[in-house]
Amino acid sequence: EPEVTQTPSHQVTQMGQEVILRCVPISNHLYFYWYRQILGQKVEFLVSFYNNEISEKSEIFDDQFSVERPDGSNFTLKIRSTKLEDSAMYFCASKGQINEQFFGPGTRLTVL
Amino acid sequence: AQTVTQSQPEMSVQEAETVTLSCTYDTSESDYYLFWYKQPPSRQMILVIRQEAYKQQNATENRFSVNFQKAAKSFSLKISDSQLGDAAMYFCAYLRGTYKYIFGTGTRLKVLA
Repeated sequence: EPEVTQTPSHQVTQMGQEVILRCVPISNHLYFYWYRQILGQKVEFLVSFYNNEISEKSEIFDDQFSVERPDGSNFTLKIRSTKLEDSAMYFCASKGQINEQFFGPGTRLTVL
Repeated sequence: AQTVTQSQPEMSVQEAETVTLSCTYDTSESDYYLFWYKQPPSRQMILVIRQEAYKQQNATENRFSVNFQKAAKSFSLKISDSQLGDAAMYFCAYLRGTYKYIFGTGTRLKVLA
């Protein structure tokens, strides 16, 4: 069964460093999403991406964040200068024809 | 704006018993989808059940069923014959089309042996 994959599973970085979180969506899906979950809190939407451009972003998704689909398979989230409060679980999701988003296993980001 | 509310931060159930988790939502739309996700300690998001708003029939998946009350904007999850493996955080979520999921704050379910 096709699934969304994410790498790395856990990323530890120093405050101020850049990180890139990688996702491989399900191959025939066209809509892509990033969500964030701070420990003990709910899952929050960051950004959606379709047809090589951002279709919607939340107020969390400020200038420090960017997304890219550099080739036909990867979908990345970049945080330019990480802050302590960026420590969270980051989930990638993709959507095909049916009205359901399929989640990856998440990347746990720890900013020290 | 759409909102999802889960008013029970934590619930406990005895093994083999039945438990119901509550969820209410607010929307002015008529066509949307509702979901329950399970999040075990691994923090992976696992789909439990989905409901299309245009369907009057309540969705069921084995021991999991929902009580969908569209007029009341209520979407509760019933877990029958609870098992130790059901212990997790449960999130209710709302989705319309290609837009973002809107999640509730979650209910932590404890299953007592």
